[in-house]
Amino acid sequence: GESVGLHLPTLSVQEGDNSIINCAYSNSASDYFIWYKQESGKGPQFIIDIRSNMDKRQGQRVTVLLNKTVKHLSLQIAATQPGDSAVYFCAETISGGSYIPTFGRGTSLIVHP
Amino acid sequence: EAGVAQSPRYKIIEKRQSVAFWCNPISGHATLYWYQQILGQGPKLLIQFQNNGVVDDSQLPKDRFSAERLKGVDSTLKIQPAKLEDSAVYLCASSPAEVPSSYNEQFFGPGTRLTVL
Repeated sequence: GESVGLHLPTLSVQEGDNSIINCAYSNSASDYFIWYKQESGKGPQFIIDIRSNMDKRQGQRVTVLLNKTVKHLSLQIAATQPGDSAVYFCAETISGGSYIPTFGRGTSLIVHP
Repeated sequence: EAGVAQSPRYKIIEKRQSVAFWCNPISGHATLYWYQQILGQGPKLLIQFQNNGVVDDSQLPKDRFSAERLKGVDSTLKIQPAKLEDSAVYLCASSPAEVPSSYNEQFFGPGTRLTVL
């Protein structure tokens, strides 16, 4: 099928391992951050978000960490499954505006059974 | 709940030809977005509609791109004439936000993959 993962940084993991996907954001004024998952042939899908007044937020099997000092986000996926294989994007935005996310470049996650 | 629908899914044209994409947002969603996603990159916003009015079209190349949402529901995005660099996936998204004063989750359609030869 078609892929939006070409020429992207790639993370390969074994099924059951934990995955960590990193993202550097650019705008120090950004105060709201979102992780999206994009499977081949589909649009991005919201995974988890975090506001700048937090440094950690947990969802189901996913955790997002925010380090504002170095403008860095990470997405941790516990017990990675083959269905987690996709391209993952972080996005930044500024609250109080139109909340249009500015997407980063993306990381391709490949989970081997 | 039905998702965002887009058509066609794929389109191949030659440069200087015209092309149009169609989007049907989730029922009741006031806000509609068109994004361009070049291979290997994240989506980039082209235009945002609130009902049938344009909120932000600052990134839309208006010399060749146009978009409309006449009745505040469906939308079309047109490129005329197309260039090689327009090859990309064109994503439509919608959100329920009536007023863009707080984040409302955007729901994306599957996109239209455009290849310009």
